[in-house]
Amino acid sequence: NAGVMQNPRHLVRRRGQEARLRCSPMKGHSHVYWYRQLPEEGLKFMVYLQKENIIDESGMPKERFSAEFPKEGPSILRIQQVVRGDSAAYFCASSVAGQDTDTQYFGPGTRLTVL
Amino acid sequence: AQSVSQHNHHVILSEAASLELGCNYSYGGTVNLFWYVQYPGQHLQLLLKYFSGDPLVKGIKGFEAEFIKSKFSFNLRKPSVQWSDTAEYFCAVTYGGSQGNLIFGKGTKLSVKP
Repeated sequence: NAGVMQNPRHLVRRRGQEARLRCSPMKGHSHVYWYRQLPEEGLKFMVYLQKENIIDESGMPKERFSAEFPKEGPSILRIQQVVRGDSAAYFCASSVAGQDTDTQYFGPGTRLTVL
Repeated sequence: AQSVSQHNHHVILSEAASLELGCNYSYGGTVNLFWYVQYPGQHLQLLLKYFSGDPLVKGIKGFEAEFIKSKFSFNLRKPSVQWSDTAEYFCAVTYGGSQGNLIFGKGTKLSVKP
C-alpha cells in the first residue's frame, strides 16, 4: 500500500529556471495539499486541490507559483523563474475527504535548492 | 491571525527521562489538534490527533497529549523517552469548518542521549 509519493526528492535549479514538483496521493485519496518549509520554520500551507479544481490557494505566492491536479496523473507544483528565496522543502499531503478532522498523510518532500 | 506556538526549539534529554513538549494555539473556536513526528531522513508521520471526546489522547509509541481548552494548549508527553525518539515534533491545528489546511508550529527538535 504505497503512501504519498513525491518526486524528485532533491531538485537543483539555477535562478530563472523552472521547477516542477510532483505528488501522487495515497490510493483512494482525492484531496491534495502542498506545504512549504523554509529553514528553521514550520510547514506553511500553500494550496489545496481536488481533482481538476483548486479549492484554496490562499497560501500561494501571487506570482510565479501555480498548482494543478489533473484528472489523470500526479499533482504538480510549478515554480517559474526561481529565485534563491524559493529554496525550501516542499511537502505534499493527501487526505480522503478534505475535512478539518481528516488525517493528512505526508510525502517525503522535495528539497529545492536554487543556486 | 491563527497561529501555533511551540515554545521549545531544541530539547535534549537522557534516555528514560520524561518528556513534555508545549503547544499553544490562537483563536477560541472549534479546533482539531495534531502532533506529527519527523524522524531523521523520513517523512512526517501522525503521532496522535484530537477532535472531540476525552481530552487525553493516546497515540503511537507511548506518546499522549492533553487538550486543555482553557489554556489553548495541547502538550505532548511521554513518561520515558528512548534514543529512537530522537526526531522533530510538530504540533498542528485545523479549525472547525475549514477544509483541513493545517497550521503548524515551528517544531521542536528532540535529542535523546543514550
